[in-house]
Amino acid sequence: AQKVTQAQTEISVVEKEDVTLDCVYETRDTTYYLFWYKQPPSGELVFLIRRNSFDEQNEISGRYSWNFQKSTSSFNFTITASQVVDSAVYFCALSDRNSGNTPLVFGKGTRLSVIA
Amino acid sequence: DTEVTQTPKHLVMGMTNKKSLKCEQHMGHRAMYWYKQKAKKPPELMFVYSYEKLSINESVPSRFSPECPNSSLLNLHLHALQPEDSALYLCASSQDMGLQIPYEQYFGPGTRLTVT
Repeated sequence: AQKVTQAQTEISVVEKEDVTLDCVYETRDTTYYLFWYKQPPSGELVFLIRRNSFDEQNEISGRYSWNFQKSTSSFNFTITASQVVDSAVYFCALSDRNSGNTPLVFGKGTRLSVIA
Repeated sequence: DTEVTQTPKHLVMGMTNKKSLKCEQHMGHRAMYWYKQKAKKPPELMFVYSYEKLSINESVPSRFSPECPNSSLLNLHLHALQPEDSALYLCASSQDMGLQIPYEQYFGPGTRLTVT
């Protein structure tokens, strides 16, 4: 069965600190896709990244970086030099061919608070 | 333009009322989604339309009735709701359902529904 675990329910950091959000996934499929979404207090989910299971290269986009490790089934997200605007709930999600009727399987989310 | 719009932003309705939520996208996407999100939980998929046809219904009660008048619009008709239906209702769209290669979904800001 597909499953996404975000063990950190809430994280609080001081501005300018680096923070890593963990995501561990389970799937029986060899072809799958992983996503990260950001949900600020306004409510809208903002797409951040999509990564397929064949591309294990780490990705960097500005202050954001993602570390994909198939050996540990993890797809962790790091924010460097955090800012107050990074405060949000972050969801990791999985989609594979076994997802059936649920195109995206979400983790429970990690609430990040960045304090000025 | 990666924008999905939803109206209204907030809605308060009684249990005997009939109301509708509206969603619109102009990205040429062929899949559109309704999600329900309770506080401190991830979004839960309700319905998926693919090429204007209902493709997925996640066993949603009949008091929720989706409609896809055209490829850009998605409605959710509400009737005889219960207080426990109070939640944030999110609309999303993607290039298509992407059963082989899942595409990222773009979300609207949501409608915050309160049933009294």
